Amino acid sequence: DIQLTQSPSFLSASVGDRVTITCRASQGIASFLAWYQQKPGKAPNLLIYAASSLQNGVPSRFSGSGSGTEFTLTISSLQPEDFATYYCQQLNSYPLTFGGGTKVEIK
Amino acid sequence: QVQLQESGPGLVKPSQTLSLTCTVSGGSISSGNYYWTWIRQPAGKGLEWIGRISTSGNTNSNPSLKSPVTMSVDTSKNQFSLRLSSVTAADTAVYFCAREGRKNGYNPIDYWGQGTLVTVSA
Repeated sequence: DIQLTQSPSFLSASVGDRVTITCRASQGIASFLAWYQQKPGKAPNLLIYAASSLQNGVPSRFSGSGSGTEFTLTISSLQPEDFATYYCQQLNSYPLTFGGGTKVEIK
Repeated sequence: QVQLQESGPGLVKPSQTLSLTCTVSGGSISSGNYYWTWIRQPAGKGLEWIGRISTSGNTNSNPSLKSPVTMSVDTSKNQFSLRLSSVTAADTAVYFCAREGRKNGYNPIDYWGQGTLVTVSA
């Protein structure tokens, strides 16, 4: 199975901050990576697929980059509604796997 | 707008079978050649992919799961189902049904159910 390691697992930030989350894959997965946002008690919501393609309706402050084994999710200017947990998921091979999550909290 | 809704018992006894059904609305489950997926999340923990099924019955499942997985689809009812047999407390989680999308050769999960909590306890 492909392992995904997210860092940091927790970060504290302020509204307006630029935030970057990293996801590293245990083997190359080209651009077969997605990012999700999950708020407490809710299902995850797709933000980014194909490593850098923005899902319809997702604000442009979210962006993704990377390929192979290293990927990043960037929030250019953190908004109050962005405080949540973020997960990466590899779409390259089965079983599909998720990173351990990054919880973004208010500083 | 596609919507998914999980249903099934919220409490299952150890060694018994966990059974959940996902009802899809807002479109036919048969259109678009999508795969329909199950994912779970233990309380306070991360997401675990359980498996997927196509409307033609092709399946993939996660070999890491200790409880055997069976999935089925009923196109006449616009539903798909999950069965985990011989469950233990480790199978206690929120279970999500979801759709694996098709986006330019990529298959992210683009629609999710709200999730249903299943507790395994005597």
